[in-house]
Amino acid sequence: AQSVAQPEDQVNVAEGNPLTVKCTYSVSGNPYLFWYVQYPNRGLQFLLKYITGDNLVKGSYGFEAEFNKSQTSFHLKKPSALVSDSALYFCAVRGTGFQKLVFGTGTRLLVSP
Amino acid sequence: NAGVTQTPKFRVLKTGQSMTLLCAQDMNHEYMYWYRQDPGMGLRLIHYSVGEGTTAKGEVPDGYNVSRLKKQNFLLGLESAAPSQTSVYFCASTYAGNNQPQHFGDGTRLSIL
Repeated sequence: AQSVAQPEDQVNVAEGNPLTVKCTYSVSGNPYLFWYVQYPNRGLQFLLKYITGDNLVKGSYGFEAEFNKSQTSFHLKKPSALVSDSALYFCAVRGTGFQKLVFGTGTRLLVSP
Repeated sequence: NAGVTQTPKFRVLKTGQSMTLLCAQDMNHEYMYWYRQDPGMGLRLIHYSVGEGTTAKGEVPDGYNVSRLKKQNFLLGLESAAPSQTSVYFCASTYAGNNQPQHFGDGTRLSIL
């Protein structure tokens, strides 16, 4: 069975500091990994994905994520946080041959000025 | 290009009433999904469709029915609404294939009294 864990309900960071939002996964076969962001009263927006290849994936708004197969992790990172990055972030995984995406419970990111 | 459009945006129902939520996408996507989002539980898949005329059960299908008579539309029905179905409902669509990101609508906020 596929599963995703986001161990932190909330991450607090000061503007200008680096941020990390953690995600670990469990899936049979090769994983397809995704990060989405949700702003208040909006749907989820795609940020980036890992399918194969380089372990460091770059996405929208300066975000990147590092795939680590041995630790089954896909942490989201940004070198310098902005107040406007404050939102709810979801990690998701899909296994080979599955049409369904499994989401984590979400991590709220709060960036203080 | 509207993307994924959900109607209505808000609705209040009484227990036992029925209603249909409409999702329309203009991206010619093969796959469509209905999720519900509840605090602390992330997104849970209700039903999904991999093509016109096909539907399948997701993680939490009880109390819901769906239909996909046209490729661009995916309808979610509540036959007899219950307070436990109070939630925010999201529709998503994507091209076929495991490496494709899902595109989300902005949600329908449904309260059952």
